[in-house]
Order: sequence, then structure tokens, then C-alpha cells
Amino acid sequence: NAGVTQTPKFQVLKTGQSMTLQCAQDMNHEYMSWYRQDPGMGLRLIHYSVGAGITDQGEVPNGYNVSRSTTEDFPLRLLSAAPSQTSVYFCASSSSADTQYFGPGTRLTVL
Amino acid sequence: QQQVKQSPQSLIVQKGGISIINCAYENTAFDYFPWYQQFPGKGPALLIAIRPDVSEKKEGRFTISFNKSAKQFSLHIMDSQPGDSATYFCAPLTTGTASKLTFGTGTRLQVTL
Repeated sequence: NAGVTQTPKFQVLKTGQSMTLQCAQDMNHEYMSWYRQDPGMGLRLIHYSVGAGITDQGEVPNGYNVSRSTTEDFPLRLLSAAPSQTSVYFCASSSSADTQYFGPGTRLTVL
Repeated sequence: QQQVKQSPQSLIVQKGGISIINCAYENTAFDYFPWYQQFPGKGPALLIAIRPDVSEKKEGRFTISFNKSAKQFSLHIMDSQPGDSATYFCAPLTTGTASKLTFGTGTRLQVTL
């Protein structure tokens, strides 16, 4: 049981490049979320999903896209990276209970 | 819209001392009050949580105190240890909305020898 896995662990992009952050969970959780963590600002919700085929925006969705074709996977796409998207990104999953399980994070730098 | 305010931003405590972190919220619909612990380079992990039907919950050295009328809850770490050095986040929520937590800004705790 690997829990929540994220790839890559580190990534450097140039402004304007696109990329996908991968997230997978093997706990059969319905709910999955993406957060970004910036110094002094805690974690802020980007997008979330309450089940396969269902996604919705969080607090800071601009510049990011998501899709949820399977229960296990919830990729986050950056369409045109900007320096303001330099951050640490965390994926999380939860069942109908209220505890979220977080992945190890992806540290992204946009030059 | 800042629904959750956490204090202090940082805290230095000597080994064996008591660490206290506070969280104030505005949304009266919140009915589950967790604290998450995050070590450097790792994702947050649930440490302890409380529901509003009790005013205090203790798990080992960690205690949550809850004040519904003041809309505040606190984390107390008794006999603080260097291994407790981490960042702590409160993340109150309404039951059933676990997919979209609202986090406090975090408290960086350092426990010195």
C-alpha cells in the first residue's frame, strides 16, 4: 500500500513551458485534491475532485487544469508556466471521512 | 477571505517545555477541527483532531482544547521533544468537505535541547 504518490519530486521549467504533475493513490479514495504551499501562506487549494469525472475549482485555480478519468489518478496540468507558479505542490486524497492523506510533494521552479 | 487565523507564526521551546499553538476561525459551519504536522520535505499528516461535542481531547503528549463560543481551538504539546520540531497547521472543516481544506498559515516549532 503506497498511499499517495507524486511524480516528479523536483522540476525546473522555463516560462511558457507546459507540464503535468502526476498524482496517484491506491486507497480507493473518492476525494482528491491539489494544493500549493508557499512560504507564510500555508497550503491553498487549487482544484479538487469528489469522484471520477467530477472536478471543481478551489481557491487558486488560474493557470491550472485537472481531470479525473479514474479513481486512482488526478493529474495537474500547467498550460503555460509562469514564475508565480514556483511552489511546492501537494496532492491529497480522502475517503468520505474527514482525514486527508498527502503525498510527498513536487517542488517546482519556473524560471 | 481569511477564514482561519493561526498563531504564533513561529515558536521556540526548550526540551521538556509546553508548546501552545492557537487557531481562530470564522465559519460557524465548521464541525471538525484537525491539526496537521509537517516535517521538512514531507507532506502534512494528521496529528490529532476534535469534534465540537467535547472541549478537550488528549492523545499522548498532544492535547486539543476547543472553545466553541470563542471560535478557537488550540494545540498543546506537553514535554516537547526535539523530534516535535515541525510546522503545524490547523485546518478546520465542515464534515463531508474533506476534499477542500482551508489551512491556517502554519506555525514553525523548534524544540531546543
